[in-house]
Amino acid sequence: QSALTQPPSASGSPGQSVTISCTGTSSDVGGYNYVSWYQKHPGKAPKRMIYEVSKRPSGVPDRFSGSKSGNTASLTVSGLQAEDEADYYCTSYAGSTFWVFGGGTKLTVL
Amino acid sequence: EVQLVESGGGLVQPGGSLKLSCAASGFTFSGSAMHWVRQASGKGLEWLGRVRNKPNNYATAYAASVKGRFTISRDDSKTTAYLQMNSLKAEDTAVYFCSSSQDGYSFEYWGPGTLVTVSS
Repeated sequence: QSALTQPPSASGSPGQSVTISCTGTSSDVGGYNYVSWYQKHPGKAPKRMIYEVSKRPSGVPDRFSGSKSGNTASLTVSGLQAEDEADYYCTSYAGSTFWVFGGGTKLTVL
Repeated sequence: EVQLVESGGGLVQPGGSLKLSCAASGFTFSGSAMHWVRQASGKGLEWLGRVRNKPNNYATAYAASVKGRFTISRDDSKTTAYLQMNSLKAEDTAVYFCSSSQDGYSFEYWGPGTLVTVSS
């Protein structure tokens, strides 16, 4: 299984919106609605932000949203805040009881 | 409050073994699958494997990179999951995280991780 493809970096000013893409194949992202997104600050545990493509866990601000089109999933962060600066990882179920992660995107709030 | 706490990390020589533990509390451990994920320094997250719950016969699955060397197990009476790592290589050096999954397809809760260093 190959890793999902994410841009290494993304940035935006406070209050702006930024979208991070996650590209896979029809065997993972395109084949299942089991894409999830995780926020990770250095030295901290990852935090689930989105699951099943677009569902938001309790407690996650509605500034975070997810979507999918074909083999590409996206995470959009609206109304950027300083605390949103972190690494973001996508992951997808890839069938046959495998999961695959993206390489991660470092989000910088300018 | 949900808590997952990994332990057992440390320095081990190449070819050696190490067993990590993941102590869980604050959620229905017996109803959850448990996953292990690692992150090498400066790298991304890598899924290693998972063990399902009792109704699913404690079924396990592993990434190709660790299959045959790593074994995941659990003890529901202790609400603890384990990662037995054998034949360790330098490239296994990473922070190891455990994560729970009640929905079956995403990683809901995570521990802070434990560092494993494989070096002579």
